[in-house]
Amino acid sequence: NAGVMQNPRHLVRRRGQEARLRCSPMKGHSHVYWYRQLPEEGLKFMVYLQKENIIDESGMPKERFSAEFPKEGPSILRIQQVVRGDSAAYFCASSPTGDEQYFGPGTRLTVT
Amino acid sequence: AQSVTQLDSQVPVFEEAPVELRCNYSSSVSVYLFWYVQYPNQGLQLLLKYLSGSTLVESINGFEAEFNKSQTSFHLRKPSVHISDTAEYFCAVSSFGGGATNKLIFGTGTLLAVQP
Repeated sequence: NAGVMQNPRHLVRRRGQEARLRCSPMKGHSHVYWYRQLPEEGLKFMVYLQKENIIDESGMPKERFSAEFPKEGPSILRIQQVVRGDSAAYFCASSPTGDEQYFGPGTRLTVT
Repeated sequence: AQSVTQLDSQVPVFEEAPVELRCNYSSSVSVYLFWYVQYPNQGLQLLLKYLSGSTLVESINGFEAEFNKSQTSFHLRKPSVHISDTAEYFCAVSSFGGGATNKLIFGTGTLLAVQP
């Protein structure tokens, strides 16, 4: 059983461009969580999705950030008009029930 | 609201010595507790978890943690560390029931630095 997959592993964007981060959960997992790891700030929850539904987006910035988990395909975290402060490692985690979460290797976003 | 405190940002220790990484949490509801390990430039690996049952939980590589409800602690211990245990360790808590979403609240992490 393959683990959680994230791509790309590294992403470089210029200020103002869009960033799309993909997460394929483990087989049989219908719960997906996104977290962001900022230098000096630690890991912070962003959003929790189940298939086709956003369950909790209390950690998402109000503007420029969006997430989806369609019926078919990976979960997508989308950041529009990126700024330097968006540079961070973004981790996806999946869970079969929501009780325990398994993390992917992360996408390291660098905004130049 | 929940919070997790890892008081030690870095713990230096010699190889084969015992180690304890401290974790305290605050929550007004029932919680699950976790320890994750992160090696440089990698994702987080689930090290061990407390969901219910025995308050002492163990990992396959010799780590153990004990859930202490009265002291709201979940300290991580290993009786003899190896160089390969050098990594960042994160304690995390999630709440369950009553509409909770099981999102993880993380501590700030403890860097375990094992020296030869």
